[in-house]
Order: sequence, then structure tokens, then C-alpha cells
Amino acid sequence: EIVLTQSPGTLSLSPGERATLSCRASQSVSSSYLAWYQQKPGQAPRLLIYGASSRATGIPDRFSGSGSGTDFTLTISSLQPDDFATYYCQQYNSYSLLTFGGGTKVEIK
Amino acid sequence: QLQLQESGPGLVKPSETLSLTCTVSGGSISSSSYYWGWIRQPPGKGLEWIGSIYYSGSTYYNPSLKSRVTISVDTSKNQFSLKLSSVTAADTAVYYCARRHVLRGLDYWGQGTLVTVSS
Repeated sequence: EIVLTQSPGTLSLSPGERATLSCRASQSVSSSYLAWYQQKPGQAPRLLIYGASSRATGIPDRFSGSGSGTDFTLTISSLQPDDFATYYCQQYNSYSLLTFGGGTKVEIK
Repeated sequence: QLQLQESGPGLVKPSETLSLTCTVSGGSISSSSYYWGWIRQPPGKGLEWIGSIYYSGSTYYNPSLKSRVTISVDTSKNQFSLKLSSVTAADTAVYYCARRHVLRGLDYWGQGTLVTVSS
């Protein structure tokens, strides 16, 4: 089983600042199968990034994903008020097992 | 626009079986590019994948839940279902159904339904 570790657990930033979220895998993940999701309280997660770096439909270009192998990053270039939420990475390398990271909460400083 | 909607009891007694159905509208569950899955989230905690099913009936389960989980599909009703047996309080969670694209991950989600396990 591939374990995904996200850091930091909480990120306290101000609107307009840059956010950098990390996702580290316990073994190599094909870049084609790494996704990022945003979740706000009381809502279902929303797909932001798939294939490590491709934005999903309707996602603003301030969101970007990068990385390969075991280290992946989600960057929000300039935080907007709507971006304060919890973010999860996920690998879907295998049809037989999908795993999520523990999440990073981005909160207003 | 594709929509997924979970339905089922919000309260289940310990040791009984949790049963939920996801109804898909605005698209066909029989599309070859997609799997259909269940994910849960205990209150205040992270996301846990439960399992997925292809329209042909092929299933894939989280090993940690495999002995208690059954996912099935009814293409005539455009629905898929989850059964989780022998539930305990640890199974209390918001249960989401979602569509999984082969390459794009979980691109559509239901709104989620809270299931509480309590006597």
C-alpha cells in the first residue's frame, strides 16, 4: 500500500500570499496518477489537479501542481479568500487501491 | 451536467449492515472510461477510499474493509450501491459516492450523506 504524507498539517497565511503544500509518497507514484482535491467544511471534495500537474475543468490558473516519483507539490500563487480550505493529495496508481494523504488545512493568518 | 446522489438510512445499529445507493443522472454509468466508487470521511478526519466498481461488475476494495464490503451496480437504474456489514461506531462517517476517470481521478462527487452507527 502506498502511504501519502502531507505537510504541513496546517498552513497559516494571509490573502495574497503564496501557499506551498507537500505530498510525499512511501514509494514511487506515476505522475499520471496523482491528484489534488480541495474541501471546504460541509462540502464534498473538488478535483483541482490530476496527473500531478493538469488543472481540472474550471480551476483557476493560480493553482498549479508539480513533482514526480515520491515528491509532489501543490502551489497556490496568490491566496484568495475562497482558497482557505483543506487540501488532499491522492494517488490512483492502481485500479485496486486508491489512497489519500492526511490533508493540509490552509487557514487565514 | 453529471450529478450523483447518495441515499439510504442515516442511522444504523451496531452489528447491522449499512446500505447506501448512489443514483447517477446526466450521464450513463455504463461508460467505458469510468469507475464508480465510495469514499468515507469520519467527523473531523480525512478521506478513506472504500472501493470501486466498473459497469461490468468488476470490483476493487480497500483491503482494510474488504471482508465487510460489497459494491454492486445496476446499469438499468443507473445506480451503484454499497453494503458494509457488522458496523461499529468507527464506521460513523459521511459517505460519498464519486466517479473515477481512468486518468483524471475522482472528477464528480455526490454531496455526501452522514451515517451514524448507534443503538
